[in-house]
Amino acid sequence: DTGVSQDPRHKITKRGQNVTFRCDPISEHNRLYWYRQTLGQGPEFLTYFQNEAQLEKSRLLSDRFSAERPKGSFSTLEIQRTEQGDSAMYLCASSLGSGTAGEQYFGPGTRLTVT
Amino acid sequence: DAKTTQPTSMDCAEGRAANLPCNHSTISGNEYVYWYRQIHSQGPQYIIHGLKNNETNEMASLIITEDRKSSTLILPHATLRDTAVYYCIVRVDDTGTASKLTFGTGTRLQVTL
Repeated sequence: DTGVSQDPRHKITKRGQNVTFRCDPISEHNRLYWYRQTLGQGPEFLTYFQNEAQLEKSRLLSDRFSAERPKGSFSTLEIQRTEQGDSAMYLCASSLGSGTAGEQYFGPGTRLTVT
Repeated sequence: DAKTTQPTSMDCAEGRAANLPCNHSTISGNEYVYWYRQIHSQGPQYIIHGLKNNETNEMASLIITEDRKSSTLILPHATLRDTAVYYCIVRVDDTGTASKLTFGTGTRLQVTL
């Protein structure tokens, strides 16, 4: 087990283009989270999955954003019609979801730059 | 989740103990105190958590006051690799919508030679 992985690590795109990020959680973890982090701020929650079910979405997740977790394994986060304000670090985390005070394990993040 | 208050930045000499304070005066009885850190350009890393009792692991110690309104993260022998932003977070547990982490701006710890 090598931890949470994210791909790509960096993405530069032009405004208006669509982008998709992938997250591979720790294999036995059934919870998967997406966060966004802008410069100088702490990460902000976007959405989370329990297995394949998306259970909560933040108001930060506009209708241009969509996340999926087919089969309860890896997850994708797509941003349509990117805007310069979407430039940020997108972080994925996973946890056991055991119902106890479990820690979340974060991936290295995908840094998105919208030009 | 209750809000937390942390100093914006702190300095610590290498080899000395780093004591990072956190105030969480509105914490509820069933909320845990979590500490994460984020080294530059990396994802956050879990350090430790506790409910009422003091906790220690291989990375750090967590001291929670008896009234649970504040806590201190202790790195016993800070090294340059401990330079990071440290986040104090309170959260109920890992169930349902309470499982998301609400980060503040944290404390930027600079460890110097």
